[in-house]
Amino acid sequence: NAGVMQNPRHLVRRRGQEARLRCSPMKGHSHVYWYRQLPEEGLKFMVYLQKENIIDESGMPKERFSAEFPKEGPSILRIQQVVRGDSAAYFCASSPLLSTEAFFGQGTRLTVV
Amino acid sequence: KNEVEQSPQNLTAQEGEFITINCSYSVGISALHWLQQHPGGGIVSLFMLSSGKKKHGRLIATINIQEKHSSLHITASHPRDSAVYICAVSYELGGSQGNLIFGKGTKLSVKP
Repeated sequence: NAGVMQNPRHLVRRRGQEARLRCSPMKGHSHVYWYRQLPEEGLKFMVYLQKENIIDESGMPKERFSAEFPKEGPSILRIQQVVRGDSAAYFCASSPLLSTEAFFGQGTRLTVV
Repeated sequence: KNEVEQSPQNLTAQEGEFITINCSYSVGISALHWLQQHPGGGIVSLFMLSSGKKKHGRLIATINIQEKHSSLHITASHPRDSAVYICAVSYELGGSQGNLIFGKGTKLSVKP
C-alpha cells in the first residue's frame, strides 16, 4: 500500500503563472487535507476535502486558490496567478473514513521567481 | 484564541540522552498529534492521542487532558532522531477533522 503521493516534489513558476499540485491519497482513504508551510513558519491548515466535496476551506486564501478532489483521480490544489509570497511547501495528508489519524505526503515545494 | 505552544524551540543532546519535548494547548481538544519532519522536509505522523500514553520503540507520548499538556519522550537518543518535532491539535469546537492547529516545532539535534 503506497503512502500518500504528491507531485511534483519541486515546482518553479514565474509570477503570474498557474501552479497545480497533485495529491494521491493512500488506498482506501476518502479524506484529503492540504496544509501550507511558509519559510520559517509553522504549518497552517488550508482545506479539507472528501470525494467531490469541500468540507472545510476556512484556511484557504479567498482569491487565486482552489482545491478539488474528484470522484476519480488525485486531489488538486490550484494556485492561479502566483506571487512570490506563495512560495512555500504544500503538504497533503489523507485519512480513512471515521478516523482522525492522518498520513502525510512528502510535500511539494513551490518556488515563485 | 486556540494556540499550541511547544518547548523548547531548539534542543541539542548527546547520543544516548533522554529527551523530552513539551506541548501545551489552550482549549479542549478531540485529538493531539506528534509529527516528525526530517531535514529533507517530509512529515511522518508519530502518534495520535486523545488520552493516556502511547509507546512505539524508543518514542513515548503522553497527554494530560486536565492540564492541557502533552510530552514526547525519546529514550536512548540517536543522531538519526535529529529532526523537527511538531505538535498539532484538532479542537472540539470550531474546527473540522483535519483542521489542525500546529505548534512551531522543536528542532532536535543529537550529536554523536
